[in-house]
Amino acid sequence: DQQVKQNSPSLSVQEGRISILNCDYTNSMFDYFLWYKKYPAEGPTFLISISSIKDKNEDGRFTVFLNKSAKHLSLHIVPSQPGDSAVYFCAATGANNLFFGTGTRLTVIP
Amino acid sequence: GAGVSQSPSNKVTEKGKDVELRCDPISGHTALYWYRQSLGQGLEFLIYFQGNSAPDKSGLPSDRFSAERTGGSVSTLTIQRTQQEDSAVYLCASSWGQGSYNEQFFGPGTRLTVL
Repeated sequence: DQQVKQNSPSLSVQEGRISILNCDYTNSMFDYFLWYKKYPAEGPTFLISISSIKDKNEDGRFTVFLNKSAKHLSLHIVPSQPGDSAVYFCAATGANNLFFGTGTRLTVIP
Repeated sequence: GAGVSQSPSNKVTEKGKDVELRCDPISGHTALYWYRQSLGQGLEFLIYFQGNSAPDKSGLPSDRFSAERTGGSVSTLTIQRTQQEDSAVYLCASSWGQGSYNEQFFGPGTRLTVL
């Protein structure tokens, strides 16, 4: 059973606009959430994270929002740039293991 | 090198053969993870090594899968009697410290194709 879900397999956004990637989870024991970005033929790279004691974490153009009651988090990228085109994985943990979603392929159109 | 390296980058094998996949973590990282990504799936946790502790094997899908980490550094993932459903990209990651709260650094992966 998938404990972390990304229901949108793909998203296309115009350059300069906002990209919003969504993620849902089922396990209330998760207390730390991460976003990873993956380019083709490369391993995922860490992007941004958030602890369950917060509801927002911002790093430059990237902001992650956490809604614990809804078991939902989202990644906002603004303004979106063509170099942001990649697959974005949401991940969650409560101990030793990271549980990943299936990824959302973001395409930023110049 | 500075990052996590994996070899081979691609492996094609016949059903029933054994394969070994290698991971060289970042020097000094005490934690090492193996994941696999099958077509259309997220990254699936396989096994976790932390220092000299017994590994967490809870993600291994069958007893055909095993992994070792020698000297707290290099790790080898072995798949015996490969099946077509084993075809996937196998990713290794390492991190400082214990637990997945620490940022994991991923290698480029090994793409395994079982014919």
